[in-house]
Amino acid sequence: SQQGEEDPQALSIQEGENATMNCSYKTSINNLQWYRQNSGRGLVHLILIRSNEREKHSGRLRVTLDTSKKSSSLLITASRAADTASYFCATDAGTGKLIFGQGTTLQVKP
Amino acid sequence: DGGITQSPKYLFRKEGQNVTLSCEQNLNHDAMYWYRQDPGQGLRLIYYSQIVNDFQKGDIAEGYSVSREKKESFPLTVTSAQKNPTAFYLCASSHTGTASSYEQYFGPGTRLTVT
Repeated sequence: SQQGEEDPQALSIQEGENATMNCSYKTSINNLQWYRQNSGRGLVHLILIRSNEREKHSGRLRVTLDTSKKSSSLLITASRAADTASYFCATDAGTGKLIFGQGTTLQVKP
Repeated sequence: DGGITQSPKYLFRKEGQNVTLSCEQNLNHDAMYWYRQDPGQGLRLIYYSQIVNDFQKGDIAEGYSVSREKKESFPLTVTSAQKNPTAFYLCASSHTGTASSYEQYFGPGTRLTVT
């Protein structure tokens, strides 16, 4: 069962611009996590935001969480060509497992 | 080097053959997971294990089997009963606890092609 729905499915921007990806989910969660996947590789954890947190920062990443709307957003500021990858949100509902969204494919053009 | 390894990177099999994918971690994590990823799709959970000698079915367990005899190892067998086994398989591990879950660490994946 896919809980997370991500929007947009694909995003193409110029280097230096900001990229925003959104994730919506259906049930109550303990936390929401964002991961990055370069083509043909494993996933890398980016950031975890707990259900009692509204915003979190890590370097050029900013994540927000709105539990009333069951949605989260990932903002990458001042994007670089090296940010080109797929980005996935994953929700933890306290069941011992994560449910991943379909992902947003980001292309950053140099 | 601490990490999670999967082997082989590419695997080719004929239809009707069982195949076992290896996953090893030296992160001292209790929990391990197997996911399947199809082109342009997210990850779907096949099986997971939170402790040695115990594992649970995920969302798409049919046609797959696992074992967890050692903390470090969580091999996945793709059986001939799996109707569409060609996919990218990812293994992950994480700590466990009574608090909310921890981040998962992923291996590099095994791309299985069955013809």
